[in-house]
Amino acid sequence: DVKVTQSSRYLVKRTGEKVFLECVQDMDHENMFWYRQDPGLGLRLIYFSYDVKMKEKGDIPEGYSVSREKKERFSLILESASTNQTSMYLCATTRDPYEQYFGPGTRLTVT
Amino acid sequence: GENVEQHPSTLSVQEGDSAVIKCTYSDSASNYFPWYKQELGKRPQLIIDIRSNVGEKKDQRIAVTLNKTAKHFSLHITETQPEDSAVYFCAASPVNNDMRFGAGTRLTVKP
Repeated sequence: DVKVTQSSRYLVKRTGEKVFLECVQDMDHENMFWYRQDPGLGLRLIYFSYDVKMKEKGDIPEGYSVSREKKERFSLILESASTNQTSMYLCATTRDPYEQYFGPGTRLTVT
Repeated sequence: GENVEQHPSTLSVQEGDSAVIKCTYSDSASNYFPWYKQELGKRPQLIIDIRSNVGEKKDQRIAVTLNKTAKHFSLHITETQPEDSAVYFCAASPVNNDMRFGAGTRLTVKP
């Protein structure tokens, strides 16, 4: 079974803080993704990565950056957290350009 | 990029009835169309998918149909049960794995 883990299930941060969300997968998948999930908006793609040190912007990259130094780890960084970044963040991974396996999610609250 | 629209946003059916959720997509290059089910507090999980060379696929009580000409695809659940209650997401992905999700449908099956 593919295992995708995220560093925290719940996180509370203050406005202006730098926030790191980490995702780790154990299946040697090339592709990794970060989404945010908001009610009524579904899953929106923030960034994705095809390989180590490679990254591509998704639909809503503003205010976020990513890092992929190792194949199994994909980090999402909020440079200066704002209240409109309060959301559920989901990491996903896939080997093929097909089924995505999701992590459990991190519910981030920015106050 | 790809744009996926999903309808309805909420759907309530009586146990035993059928449920249909519809999605449209914009990128004619998309060739993979998965459906994910997300139960409350859990991660999205793939329930069925279809590729562009197939018009219909069935797995027990669930089926997916694809009309490439019209760029729409649908999820059909027959003989619904209370455990089918969840949020369902459709998605579309072109060959470069740039998957986009619909906004989700909250299905409620009343016993």
